[in-house]
Amino acid sequence: GEDVEQSLFLSVREGDSSVINCTYTDSSSTYLYWYKQEPGAGLQLLTYIFSNMDMKQDQRLTVLLNKKDKHLSLRIADTQTGDSAIYFCAEVDNSGAGSYQLTFGKGTKLSVIP
Amino acid sequence: GAVVSQHPSWVICKSGTSVKIECRSLDFQATTMFWYRQFPKQSLMLMATSNEGSKATYEQGVEKDKFLINHASLTLSTLTVTSAHPEDSSFYICSARVVLAGSPGYNEQFFGPGTRLTVL
Repeated sequence: GEDVEQSLFLSVREGDSSVINCTYTDSSSTYLYWYKQEPGAGLQLLTYIFSNMDMKQDQRLTVLLNKKDKHLSLRIADTQTGDSAIYFCAEVDNSGAGSYQLTFGKGTKLSVIP
Repeated sequence: GAVVSQHPSWVICKSGTSVKIECRSLDFQATTMFWYRQFPKQSLMLMATSNEGSKATYEQGVEKDKFLINHASLTLSTLTVTSAHPEDSSFYICSARVVLAGSPGYNEQFFGPGTRLTVL
C-alpha cells in the first residue's frame, strides 16, 4: 500500500529557512500536498504540487519534487514563530482506482526558536 | 476558501453512551466527506469515506457498527460513536472534498477544526 514518511521533529531559529522532507512510495500519486496543523486545530492546506512539476513557489513557501526518488520537500523562508506547527505531507491517487483518498505522513513538528 | 465546521468541538461522555459529531460544509456542497481519527503525536488515520446518499465506505479495521456515518445531504455528514469506551477517546477530524472546475482530476479537501472526544 501507499506509505508516506517524514522526519518527526525540526527545530530552527527565527529568520532562518526551514526544510521539511517527505518520501512517498505510490508512483501513481498525481498530487502531493503540504498541510499545517496548529495545536488543537484541524488541517490547513498550505500548498500542493502536481506530479509533472518539479518546483512550485508561493511567497515564503517553496515545494521541490523529485519524482524519480519520490522525494518531496517544503522550504519555508524567513521562518517565524507563527510557523511553529505540525506539517503533514500527503499524497492522493487520482488515477481513478480510488476515491481520492489522501494518505498522510506522520507529520513533522516544527519548533521555531525566537 | 471553503469552510468546514464541526460540532461539538469537544465532548466528554460516560462509557457506554453514544456521541454524535456533525461535519458541515458551510459555503459549498460536498458529495464526499472523509472522517479521520488522530491519536496524540500521530498522523491522521482515515476511518471512512462518506458519499451523499449512499453507504459509507469503511477502512479496514474500522467497525462500521460502532462508528455510524450518515451523509444525508450535500452539506452535512455525521459520525456517531456508539457505546463509547475510553479507548475511543481521540481527536476526530472530518474533511469535505471539492472537485475544482478547470482542473481535471484535482480535488481539494477542506478540513474541519476537529472534535476532541474524551470517554470517561
